[in-house]
Amino acid sequence: GQQVMQIPQYQHVQEGEDFTTYCNSSTTLSNIQWYKQRPGGHPVFLIQLVKSGEVKKQKRLTFQFGEAKKNSSLHITATQTTDVGTYFCAGRAGGTSYGKLTFGQGTILTVHP
Amino acid sequence: NAGVTQTPKFQVLKTGQSMTLQCAQDMNHEYMSWYRQDPGMGLRLIHYSVGAGITDQGEVPNGYNVSRSTTEDFPLRLLSAAPSQTSVYFCASSALGTMSNEQFFGPGTRLTVL
Repeated sequence: GQQVMQIPQYQHVQEGEDFTTYCNSSTTLSNIQWYKQRPGGHPVFLIQLVKSGEVKKQKRLTFQFGEAKKNSSLHITATQTTDVGTYFCAGRAGGTSYGKLTFGQGTILTVHP
Repeated sequence: NAGVTQTPKFQVLKTGQSMTLQCAQDMNHEYMSWYRQDPGMGLRLIHYSVGAGITDQGEVPNGYNVSRSTTEDFPLRLLSAAPSQTSVYFCASSALGTMSNEQFFGPGTRLTVL
């Protein structure tokens, strides 16, 4: 079945440093989504990428979807303590615009003030 | 709108007991799903539904049943609880045929099986 691998599992940074998490799928994806989960909370949708090579920005967050639609990344510039949490990618199999999402294992981000 | 609601928030069961985790949404979403979250494992899909009367299995369906008699409700049944089912369970919903397919998650149910 489809597998989505996410690295690193943990990332500790000093406030102001940059952070990147990477997501790789075993199969071509139709689209990929990113979620953030604060400690003790539930996942909250950040963004969806659909097109090959797509790049989207949300303030200090930059999301990329690979040309082959099998990998993606989330980059945070100048982290803040409010960025603490677990970041998940979630991919849908190619050929489907809806249906089951497969989540990566998540990257736990800790930001030291 | 209440969004996605889940009950109970916490539950302790003994091995072999059965129970139903409730999930409801008031956004008229067609797609609903159940995930379990375990440390280091991310979110694993248990079952999902693309509309009333339609359900399908996810990655880890064994030991769980679902039904979707209405658009709003998507209960998850544990048939005979086992310690391996100790986890945090999230229900999620999304609209189909939209640009974002954003999934809205409920607050979760923390289940412990002794």
